[in-house]
Amino acid sequence: DIQMTQSPSSLSAAVGDRVTITCQASQDINNHLNWYQQKPGKAPNLLIYDVSSLEPGVPSRFSGRGSGTHFSLIIRSVQPEDVATYYCQQDDDLPNTFGQGTKVEIK
Amino acid sequence: QVQLLESGPGLVKPSETLSLTCTVSGDSITNYYWSWIRQSPGKGLEWIGYIYHLGNTNSNPSLKSRVTISIDTSKNQFALRLTSVTAADSAVYYCAKSAYHGKETFDVWGQGTLVNVSS
Repeated sequence: DIQMTQSPSSLSAAVGDRVTITCQASQDINNHLNWYQQKPGKAPNLLIYDVSSLEPGVPSRFSGRGSGTHFSLIIRSVQPEDVATYYCQQDDDLPNTFGQGTKVEIK
Repeated sequence: QVQLLESGPGLVKPSETLSLTCTVSGDSITNYYWSWIRQSPGKGLEWIGYIYHLGNTNSNPSLKSRVTISIDTSKNQFALRLTSVTAADSAVYYCAKSAYHGKETFDVWGQGTLVNVSS
C-alpha cells in the first residue's frame, strides 16, 4: 500500500494566518491527490481533488499544490470556521489510502 | 442533491457478521460508484471497498476475504457485509459517493454509523 504521511500532526494559528499542511507519498502518485476537511462529529468533506482543483462551494482561501510525492494544502487566511482535521488521500493505486490527519486549531 | 444514510446494528458480537445498508436519495444509484469507508482512532480512515451497479466491485486487500458489497437498484441502496468481526473492526462506518472525475474520490458522505464489536 502507498503510505501517506502528513505534517504537522496538529497546529495552532491566529485568525488571518497562512497555514500550510504537507503530505508526502511513499511513491509517485501521478497527481492523484485529494484533500478532505473533517469537522468534529461530522463526516469528511472533499475540498480539493487532483492536487489543486477546488471542489465547488469551497472557499478560495483553500488551495493545493505539489507533484510527484510532495503535496501541500494552503489556507491563505485561516478563519474560525476552518477548525477541523484535514486529511490527504491518494487514489492513484489500489487501495486508496489516507494520511493520518492534521488538526488545525485557532489561537 | 445526493444524500446518503447508513443504517444497521450498532453492536455486533465477536466472530459474527456486521451488516450495514446505505440508502441513496436525490439521484439514481446507477449513475456513480459507491464506497464504504471506516474510521477508527487506531487506524484512521480506511477504505473498505466500492461497487458499481453493473456489478464491478473491488475491496481493500486487507479486508477482501471478509467483505461483500452488494447493490439493490430497485431500492436505491447498497450494503456491506463484514464477516468474522473482532474488536479491531469497531469504527464509525461511512458510505460515500464517488465523484464523476474519480471513482475513489469521495464527494458525498453519509453521516456515519458507529459500530462496536463486543460481547
